[in-house]
Amino acid sequence: QTVVTQEPSLTVSPGGTVTLTCAFSTGAVTNTHWPNWFQQKPGQVPMPLIHTTNNRHSWTPARFSGSLLGGKAALTLSNVQPEDEAEYYCLLHDSPLWVFGGGTKLTVL
Amino acid sequence: QVHLVQSGTEVKKPGASVQISCKASGDTFTNYGIHWVRQAPGQRLEWIGWINAGNGNTQYSPSLQGRLTVTRDTSASTAYMDLSSLRSEDTAVYFCAREFFASGIFDYGGQGTLVTVSS
Repeated sequence: QTVVTQEPSLTVSPGGTVTLTCAFSTGAVTNTHWPNWFQQKPGQVPMPLIHTTNNRHSWTPARFSGSLLGGKAALTLSNVQPEDEAEYYCLLHDSPLWVFGGGTKLTVL
Repeated sequence: QVHLVQSGTEVKKPGASVQISCKASGDTFTNYGIHWVRQAPGQRLEWIGWINAGNGNTQYSPSLQGRLTVTRDTSASTAYMDLSSLRSEDTAVYFCAREFFASGIFDYGGQGTLVTVSS
């Protein structure tokens, strides 16, 4: 079964920049895998941030951006704010199924 | 305004079945796919299946194949998931999520339904 791997944890300083990645066990992530990114804070419902690689939702702050980087999907947070501390999940389309990554716990310190 | 509203908390015994509903409003139901995702306590999100609300086609995660059935009632703009032969490891919060059909765009989700499986 396909495995999607994310960094288990990352730490960033307020105002800094951090990149989270999302890798397929079977090969490179491409636009055809329709990468989505979700943010989940403790006790809350996951909130969609990015869809189809690099498209923000209307509610997603501009400091969040998605891309493909070195065969992986990537989520970059710029000018990180304290409220960005959360778990971040990627979701990839492994046609006809979908697979979530294991999540990255982002600490803002 | 788009809303996905799920049914309430369930407590079931091992071996039983559970049905969760996800009622959509605010947009054309049949333009979307409804996905089901679960999250065991302290664990990651797990995609478990989806239904094309337009034609009723479904796909399921191999981990739940045979125990999970996803259906929809277009007249009620509601999707359902039925999970049978429940085990303690099925204890989780179950979410429905909407994908604009075949586009990879996930936008809105339900509030989650806690299912506890315990003897």
